[in-house]
Amino acid sequence: DTAVSQTPKYLVTQMGNDKSIKCEQNLGHDTMYWYKQDSKKFLKIMFSYNNKELIINETVPNRFSPKSPDKAHLNLHINSLELGDSAVYFCASSPLLNTGELFFGEGSRLTVL
Amino acid sequence: GIQVEQSPPDLILQEGANSTLRCNFSDSVNNLQWFHQNPWGQLINLFYIPSGTKQNGRLSATTVATERYSLLYISSSQTTDSGVYFCAVVGDSNYQLIWGAGTKLIIKP
Repeated sequence: DTAVSQTPKYLVTQMGNDKSIKCEQNLGHDTMYWYKQDSKKFLKIMFSYNNKELIINETVPNRFSPKSPDKAHLNLHINSLELGDSAVYFCASSPLLNTGELFFGEGSRLTVL
Repeated sequence: GIQVEQSPPDLILQEGANSTLRCNFSDSVNNLQWFHQNPWGQLINLFYIPSGTKQNGRLSATTVATERYSLLYISSSQTTDSGVYFCAVVGDSNYQLIWGAGTKLIIKP
């Protein structure tokens, strides 16, 4: 039973489209995150979501928006996709904000054509 | 903010060799973790180790918080150990998780 699962694992789409990536965790954690990993393997935090409090990395374009229907889910919605959005997006969770062990999903590779 | 430096950036070894990866950080931390990103891209949590020593099979880690470094030891390397090893810390003065640039390890058969 996967602790942090995200779907889809692969997503290929055209510029200008809107897409969503879903994430679910069954660890009972209070905090979930979205990370972006570029081609150089740098991991960049995009969002932290903790007890309905959203912490946004100010460098993230507002075309990206997280949506959390409940504590176990944090989905990522992207509007008007651009070529530079191509990357691997990782969902993660931890017991509290930046406290305790961090567990990652398997990643979603987004390719924008 | 806190700086995290990992060394070496790249490491190529033969199967069976031992290796030591280092993570230096510039300020006191309350959270330090080691991760392995395998060649298929999966990020796997290896150790949660803000201080002390832990062992898990062929892997062990030691964090000396007072001297601001952590070491990851891999013994009897296997080809499946290949990938990128990341260190990430949370400083005492803020609550952001700061990542090192990683050490890319290649184990040759």
